[in-house]
Amino acid sequence: DTGVSQDPRHKITKRGQNVTFRCDPISEHNRLYWYRQTLGQGPEFLTYFQNEAQLEKSRLLSDRFSAERPKGSFSTLEIQRTEQGDSAMYLCASSEDRGDDEQYFGPGTRLTVT
Amino acid sequence: GENVEQHPSTLSVQEGDSAVIKCTYSDSASNYFPWYKQELGKRPQLIIDIRSNVGEKKDQRIAVTLNKTAKHFSLHITETQPEDSAVYFCAATFSGSARQLTFGSGTQLTVLP
Repeated sequence: DTGVSQDPRHKITKRGQNVTFRCDPISEHNRLYWYRQTLGQGPEFLTYFQNEAQLEKSRLLSDRFSAERPKGSFSTLEIQRTEQGDSAMYLCASSEDRGDDEQYFGPGTRLTVT
Repeated sequence: GENVEQHPSTLSVQEGDSAVIKCTYSDSASNYFPWYKQELGKRPQLIIDIRSNVGEKKDQRIAVTLNKTAKHFSLHITETQPEDSAVYFCAATFSGSARQLTFGSGTQLTVLP
């Protein structure tokens, strides 16, 4: 499968713990996005990377959230001191940097905070 | 910021009938409008998109129309089949260098056999 991959697919954690998710975009895709999706809603933008640079962050991204893309390939999203409200599907998407805007999504990581 | 409204939230049609889902957007600078299909527990899948320099685009049984003046766009599915049953999301690009998508709230389409 040469699409966007995410790991883990499911994560159950206790409130207050830290969690980290990984996203591997489609090869050669310079643009990488993180979105969050709650039940019955559309995905909401969290943050954007162009290569290794984090260029945009949503107001949804509290200071407990941090994202990296150290070598411009895979990306990680870390949530510190998780809260029950963080329970959601975390989706990663990637696109080429040629202006055509087509974003392809990974399968997501479903986080449950107990 | 950008806001995308989507209607209806649920839609049931008989197999073979057509389905239409409508969206409106607020940012007049938006110029890219994709539609995603999401089956239960799966990733959003890009099914068709349209850019602001085009009024209509068709791909087999799926078509999308765009009215930039009114700031609305629609998804049309003809000859619906049970496998078309899913949640459909419209989206629009937010003006800015990130080109992130702002999504509608989704339409649960059920095609009854």
